[in-house]
Amino acid sequence: GQNIDQPTEMTATEGAIVQINCTYQTSGFNGLFWYQQHAGEAPTFLSYNVLDGLEEKGRFSSFLSRSKGYSYLLLKELQMKDSASYLCARMDSNYQLIWGAGTKLIIKP
Amino acid sequence: IAGITQAPTSQILAAGRRMTLRCTQDMRHNAMYWYRQDLGLGLRLIHYSNTAGTTGKGEVPDGYSVSRANTDDFPLTLASAVPSQTSVYFCASSHSTSGSRELFFGEGSRLTVL
Repeated sequence: GQNIDQPTEMTATEGAIVQINCTYQTSGFNGLFWYQQHAGEAPTFLSYNVLDGLEEKGRFSSFLSRSKGYSYLLLKELQMKDSASYLCARMDSNYQLIWGAGTKLIIKP
Repeated sequence: IAGITQAPTSQILAAGRRMTLRCTQDMRHNAMYWYRQDLGLGLRLIHYSNTAGTTGKGEVPDGYSVSRANTDDFPLTLASAVPSQTSVYFCASSHSTSGSRELFFGEGSRLTVL
């Protein structure tokens, strides 16, 4: 199928590091996106990976392994404002996005 | 301010009524999309348009229609609303010739069908 699998919910402590994993179907792959969505708001773009490896952008990094159908989003120095849902999405061969259900990240003081 | 605007932000309507959700973008993006977001499910594509004058069906098109008369506007119409169409609807746009095709989202329209 076209399943995108990511954990439903995660909890982490302010100042710590958290890794959110995402697995996806590898056929017809055209890139992997991560979006952040605060409650009641629209999703906003975080990262795009199309080649294997780690892409770092400030406190956030995203990793991709195309052969394994695996990506993760790494958030460092967690802040309370990082409490949000993190959406993983795979771009298919028609350049359409297939979305995971999202991972709700709860940050505790 | 450049961006993508949806209206209304929230609406309650009776089953069987016709409803149009409006979406306008001023970024000159050629591709536009309508998604619905339901608790526990990922964003699901309803309809899309790769360029003005063309539209296509997404994953869940039944009960919805769209038009794309120009680059900026992409309205979504529910011809006869049913309770299962209660959801949050997001319009999005992208420049389809850019490398990442990053989506820009509107603020969403929360629709309740009773």
